[in-house]
Amino acid sequence: KAGVTQTPRYLIKTRGQQVTLSCSPISGHRSVSWYQQTPGQGLQFLFEYFSETQRNKGNFPGRFSGRQFSNSRSEMNVSTLELGDSALYLCASSLEVTYEQFFGPGTRLTVL
Amino acid sequence: GQQLNQSPQSMFIQEGEDVSMNCTSSSIFNTWLWYKQDPGEGPVLLIALYKAGELTSNGRLTAQFGITRKDSFLNISASIPSDVGIYFCAGRVIQGAQKLVFGQGTRLTINP
Repeated sequence: KAGVTQTPRYLIKTRGQQVTLSCSPISGHRSVSWYQQTPGQGLQFLFEYFSETQRNKGNFPGRFSGRQFSNSRSEMNVSTLELGDSALYLCASSLEVTYEQFFGPGTRLTVL
Repeated sequence: GQQLNQSPQSMFIQEGEDVSMNCTSSSIFNTWLWYKQDPGEGPVLLIALYKAGELTSNGRLTAQFGITRKDSFLNISASIPSDVGIYFCAGRVIQGAQKLVFGQGTRLTINP
């Protein structure tokens, strides 16, 4: 079974731009979660989707948004990028919301 | 919000030594997960725990779900060079939003 895939793996943007990251979950998994990982803050929860509905949301500004499609693939969008948004963005999928989460390799976003 | 205190933050050991790390919280959890992350990759699930008192092994790794439901530990026996990495605990609280909360990680370095 293929694992969680994320595209792109690396991204460089400038302040003020917006970015869209993509995540394809493990086949059959209906829940997708997004995390931001930085050296100083560790793994911070962004949001979780299940069957196209946002089930949980972390404490991030409205510039961070996401969505899930009917095939369980998910995207997250960050608008008006700031330098502090530079991080590794991880996607994780699970069968259901309360099940074990399996992570993708992440997208490394650098904001200049 | 819920917080996990993971310790130690870093460990420097000799190859062959045993390793122990733990996570504690003031909140009650119904799930404990342990992950390992290699540089540039997403976390990989090592062990999942679902019942208080549960003791589970995965090769040289052993993890336990604390009786109080507020803590968990991970032991690695006879460490080898490929054990190097960052280990994260993650817990899902028993009430409220069922999102995962992560510890800050334990960075393991092994001297051959």
